[in-house]
Formats: sequence, structure tokens, C-alpha cells
Amino acid sequence: AQKITQTQPGMFVQEKEAVTLDCTYDTSDQSYGLFWYKQPSSGEMIFLIYQGSYDEQNATEGRYSLNFQKARKSANLVISASQLGDSAMYFCAMRELLTQGGSEKLVFGKGMKLTVNP
Amino acid sequence: NAGVTQTPKFRVLKTGQSMTLLCAQDMNHEYMYWYRQDPGMGLRLIHYSVGEGTTAKGEVPDGYNVSRLKKQNFLLGLESAAPSQTSVYFCASSFTPSGSGSDEQFFGPGTRLTVL
Repeated sequence: AQKITQTQPGMFVQEKEAVTLDCTYDTSDQSYGLFWYKQPSSGEMIFLIYQGSYDEQNATEGRYSLNFQKARKSANLVISASQLGDSAMYFCAMRELLTQGGSEKLVFGKGMKLTVNP
Repeated sequence: NAGVTQTPKFRVLKTGQSMTLLCAQDMNHEYMYWYRQDPGMGLRLIHYSVGEGTTAKGEVPDGYNVSRLKKQNFLLGLESAAPSQTSVYFCASSFTPSGSGSDEQFFGPGTRLTVL
């Protein structure tokens, strides 16, 4: 079974600074996918970025980039130029195959809380 | 295009009461999921469906039942609610199964359920 570990319970960063959110994973699969979701205080889950295990380049989406180190099994999220609206819970997740119909579930880490200070 | 919607947004039940949570998606997705989120934890899969008329158990299925009579709807039922089912429930849907690249699961806004 897949496992996601997020060890930072909370982080603080100054507005406009960059911040790295840590995520390590454990899997025996050769092909896998990693996701980052943001959950603001309003509660919804917002997809941020995806990294496939065979992707040769680190994923980027606007201010979000993923520092993917396959040998170390880490997939850290980097947010550049933090904004006040980035204050939220952040979850790292990995897809895991389910038994029926080739479907999948997401295995989530426990999340970490980011607070951006003005 | 509303995406994934959930009804209700909040609910308080007494122990032993029953209720049904409704999830609807308008993206023509085959795959639908119910997760629960407890404090200090990530989401855990309760039940899922790979298409109309199909359902399957996830990681924490006990105490819940589901139905997918129509492709766009996925219902989660609690027959006899218990305080341990106090949680935030998220529905999600996706177009393709695993191995399809960056196809993410789209989440609904969540339902906050309290069982007294």
C-alpha cells in the first residue's frame, strides 16, 4: 500500500517569500502519480499540481512547482512569492489502484498548515 | 457547469438517526468517490463507483451504504448514525482511471456532519 508522510504540522512564511512544503512517499510501484491539493478555511479541496513518476521534468503550474526527487521518494511543493491567500492546509496525495474497474483512490498525507504573514 | 455539488452542506443528527448525502456531477465522469476527513488526518476513502449501477468498498466502509442509480449521482447513506461518524464528507469524481496521467479527482465542497 502507498503511504504519504507530511511531517511539518505548520509553517509560517512572510508574504512574497518562497516556501517549501515537504512530502515523502512510499510505494513499490514503478508507475505512480503524486498530487498536491490546497484546502482553504472554507473547506473545499483545490487541485494544485501533478507529477508523474516517469515525467522527466519537475511539474510547474504558475507559482507552484514540484521538487521531485525520485531516488529519495520526495515530492516537495514549492510556492514562490507567497500571497496572503496561500494560507491554507496543504495535502500531498498519491494515487493507488483499486480492485474494481481499474479505478483509483487518492492516499493522502495528514496535511500541513501554511500561514502567510503580511 | 457546476462541477461537483453536495447536499446538504451541514447536518446535525442524533445517534441512531439515518440520513442520505447526495453528490451530483455534471462532467459526465464515470468514476465517483466518497471520502471522509477527520481532524489531523487526510481524506480516507469510504466507497467508490466505477460507473452507473456499480459500487465498491473503500478503506473505511463500515456503517455506510452507497448507490449509483444514475451516472451523475452518487448517494451516501448512514442507516444508524454513530458519534464516530462525525466528520466532513467529500465527494469526488474523475473521468479516467489510474494510469491516465494528470487526470485529477474533482472534489465537491464537503458536508459537515455532527452526530450527537
